[in-house]
Amino acid sequence: DVVLTQSPATLSVTPGERISLSCRASESVDTYLHWYQQKPNESPRLLIKYASQSISGIPSRFSGSGSGTDFTLSINGVELEDLSIYYCQQGNSLPHTFGAGTKLELK
Amino acid sequence: EVQLVESGGGLVQPGRSLKLSCAASGFTFSNYYMAWVRQAPTKGLEWVASITNSGGSTYYRDSVKGRFTISRDNAKSTLYLQMDSLRSEDTATYYCTRTTSIWFAYWGQGTLVTVSS
Repeated sequence: DVVLTQSPATLSVTPGERISLSCRASESVDTYLHWYQQKPNESPRLLIKYASQSISGIPSRFSGSGSGTDFTLSINGVELEDLSIYYCQQGNSLPHTFGAGTKLELK
Repeated sequence: EVQLVESGGGLVQPGRSLKLSCAASGFTFSNYYMAWVRQAPTKGLEWVASITNSGGSTYYRDSVKGRFTISRDNAKSTLYLQMDSLRSEDTATYYCTRTTSIWFAYWGQGTLVTVSS
């Protein structure tokens, strides 16, 4: 199974700053890497597909990059509503796997 | 608007069975792959099973293979997950998702399954 390692586990942020979250795969997943946001007591929602492709309805401050084994989710100007857990997921091979998540909290 | 509404969760004893349902609306159900993803309490996300749009092919994670069965009724726009021989480690919120087979585009609100004596 492909293991996805997300770092950091927790990130303390200040509104307005630009931040980057990392997701590293145990083997190449090409660009079959997707990002989700899960707010407290809510279902996850898709943020980014294919490593860098935007999703309709998602604010433009969210962006993704990377290929192969190293991926980054960036938030350009964090807002309070972005305090959530972020998960990466690979769809290159079965079983589909998720990272353990990065939790954004207020500094 | 895409809507996925799960039902059927609850408290069940180890070794017993439970069947989850997911009623879909807002899209042509028979055109899309579907999947179940679960999340144990305070834990991360875990893919459980997927099914093609026709229902002709199904895929499972190893830990549920032979115990869980994913199925669908395209006439009723409903997805199912039959869960047999339940174990304590199956305790989780189960999400119904519309999937491309590569990513999970839409998620239901989830239904909680608790396996305990």
